[in-house]
Amino acid sequence: QVQLVQSGAEVKKPGASVKVSCKASGYIFTGYYIHWVRQAPGQGLEWMGWINPNSGGTNYAQKFQGRVTMTRDTSISTAYMELSRVTSDDTAVYYCARDLVYSTSSPFDYWGQGTLVTVSS
Amino acid sequence: EIVLTQSPGTLSLSPGERATLSCRASQSVSSTYLAWYQQKPGQAPRLLIHGASSRATGIPDRFSGSGSGTDFTLTISRLEPEDFAVYYCQQYGSSPITFGQGTRLEIK
Repeated sequence: QVQLVQSGAEVKKPGASVKVSCKASGYIFTGYYIHWVRQAPGQGLEWMGWINPNSGGTNYAQKFQGRVTMTRDTSISTAYMELSRVTSDDTAVYYCARDLVYSTSSPFDYWGQGTLVTVSS
Repeated sequence: EIVLTQSPGTLSLSPGERATLSCRASQSVSSTYLAWYQQKPGQAPRLLIHGASSRATGIPDRFSGSGSGTDFTLTISRLEPEDFAVYYCQQYGSSPITFGQGTRLEIK
């Protein structure tokens, strides 16, 4: 069965970087885009960008340009999202999610369990 | 950027009743690219509807989606206790992908 398993919770100081991993199983990793979505406490969903695990190509939301880097390691079917220069506004649960179909225009049918990132001095 | 506005913010209904949730877009969304998700506390969102009206795998037929252009609707025909949650619409046809702010469906 398809699973996306994310790394554990992180606590970071303002100005630091955080890197979250998303290990895929149960399907061909390079066959579907991986998206990253975050959710601040008590708030809605915010899309951060996607990575094409096949090519490594990325598309980031303008809000995060220059601060976010999405990468992947196909040998271990894992995607990564690194966010730099974090502030308290970046405190949120970060989700990875898989496309329903291999396309830049597809909804998300499988989600990771979420990784809580807390930014606090 | 396409802004999605959901209404109402909170909907209070009883099990067995019909729920109608609205999602309005700031510009036209191809109906192929509108989805609905359900999220329960402490859980990741779950895809319910894609392409405005196609139910995702395993989703009960009491959930239905409709609409086109800028106005979309999620209908739950007869509410079950497990349906009380937060619902989000999403457009995925243009970048950036955007979500509505959510509608909380609570037990009356």
